Amino acid sequence: DAGVIQSPRHEVTEMGQEVTLRCKPISGHNSLFWYRQTMMRGLELLIYFNNNVPIDDSGMPEDRFSAKMPNASFSTLKIQPSEPRDSAVYFCASSPDSSGANVLTFGAGSRLTVL
Amino acid sequence: EDQVTQSPEALRLQEGESSSLNCSYTVSGLRGLFWYRQDPGKGPEFLFTLYSAGEEKEKERLKATLTKKESFLHITAPKPEDSATYLCAVVDGGATNKLIFGTGTLLAVQP
Repeated sequence: DAGVIQSPRHEVTEMGQEVTLRCKPISGHNSLFWYRQTMMRGLELLIYFNNNVPIDDSGMPEDRFSAKMPNASFSTLKIQPSEPRDSAVYFCASSPDSSGANVLTFGAGSRLTVL
Repeated sequence: EDQVTQSPEALRLQEGESSSLNCSYTVSGLRGLFWYRQDPGKGPEFLFTLYSAGEEKEKERLKATLTKKESFLHITAPKPEDSATYLCAVVDGGATNKLIFGTGTLLAVQP
């Protein structure tokens, strides 16, 4: 298996632009997570899905952030409009456990820079 | 509020110099403590899961232990390839079973 695949690996954009990050989880994993990592705050859970359904989105910072999982093999995290404080590395992870807290396999991350 | 605190923030060791990393946690009803390793430019990689006080897990030069309030990651005779950020996480006490991560310990092992 190729693991969790994220794209793009790097994104540089200007304030106000829309950003879409993409994730393909490991086949057969039924839980998917979006995390954000910064030096100041470490890894923060933004949202997690189980069987394509959002279970906990309490970590989504504000209405500018949205996430979807239209099917078991694809998820997107969208920021509209983007702001400089959104600059971070965004990780997608998947897990085979429906309880949501089993061993996570992380992707390589998408580094976002908002100018 | 569930919290995970790791110390030290950074640690520099000489090759072969053993040491320990600490993870203290506050959670209502521990349902799992996880250790991950993160290399620069990569996502975290799973190392261990511990579930109950007194439990220990080992992998090569790493051994993780758990008490009711903290976990230690012991590194015996480290090598330069052990250099990485080590992250600790706990399952939160709420209904959604999500993982709460500490900010990590950056370990540098010099030859």
